[in-house]
Amino acid sequence: DSGVTQTPKHLITATGQRVTLRCSPRSGDLSVYWYQQSLDQGLQFLIQYYNGEERAKGNILERFSAQQFPDLHSELNLSSLELGDSALYFCASSVSGTGLYEQYFGPGTRLTVT
Amino acid sequence: EDQVTQSPEALRLQEGESSSLNCSYTVSGLRGLFWYRQDPGKGPEFLFTLYSAGEEKEKERLKATLTKKESFLHITAPKPEDSATYLCAVPQFMNSGGYQKVTFGTGTKLQVIP
Repeated sequence: DSGVTQTPKHLITATGQRVTLRCSPRSGDLSVYWYQQSLDQGLQFLIQYYNGEERAKGNILERFSAQQFPDLHSELNLSSLELGDSALYFCASSVSGTGLYEQYFGPGTRLTVT
Repeated sequence: EDQVTQSPEALRLQEGESSSLNCSYTVSGLRGLFWYRQDPGKGPEFLFTLYSAGEEKEKERLKATLTKKESFLHITAPKPEDSATYLCAVPQFMNSGGYQKVTFGTGTKLQVIP
C-alpha cells in the first residue's frame, strides 16, 4: 500500500459526459501528478500540482482540467468524453515539487467510455 | 524531447535464470533515474532511484546500475513472483524551468516460468 488513495476504482460512462476522479496523496506529500495509461501506450504525464498550485503540464487535453485543494487532495475533471479517453488514470504523490524525487502511485481509476 | 527507451519489450525466463533489463536515455545533464515495477491493472511501485553514474542499488533479487548513457536492472535467480512490467523514468527539464516532468519508458514485460 503506497498510501495514495484514488476514487472511484472503476467508472463507466457514455460519450459526451463529464466525470471527476479524486486523489488523496500520502501524508506529508505536497505534490500530486496525474497520468494516463492506455493499453497501447505507456504512462503519459498529464499535469502536476504542488501545494495547491499548478507546476507543470504535459499532454493534457483542453477537455481535461485539474485542481489541488487546500487539504492537498486533487481532482481530475474529464469532460466531453470520447471513446479514446478510456484508460487507466493514475495519480502519484511526491514530497517535492520537482521531478527529482520518487513518486508513489495510487491504485488507479479505470475509466470506460461507451 | 528527451527519450527513454527500454529493451527488450518482453522477456521470458525460467525460474532461476538471471538476466538484465536495459533502459537507455537521451537527456542533457541526467539528474536521476527511477525504476518502478507495475503489476497488471495496478499502479507502479517504486523500486530504486539512481542519481549518478557508477551508482548501484540492490533490493532482494534486483540490482540497478547507472552509467552515463543507460541503466540496467539485473535480476538474479528470478522467481515467478518477479513477473511484472518494469518501468524506468527520468526527470525532464522543462522550458518553463525546473524538472517537474518525469518521462517514463514503455517498460519491459517480464515473465518468469516455474
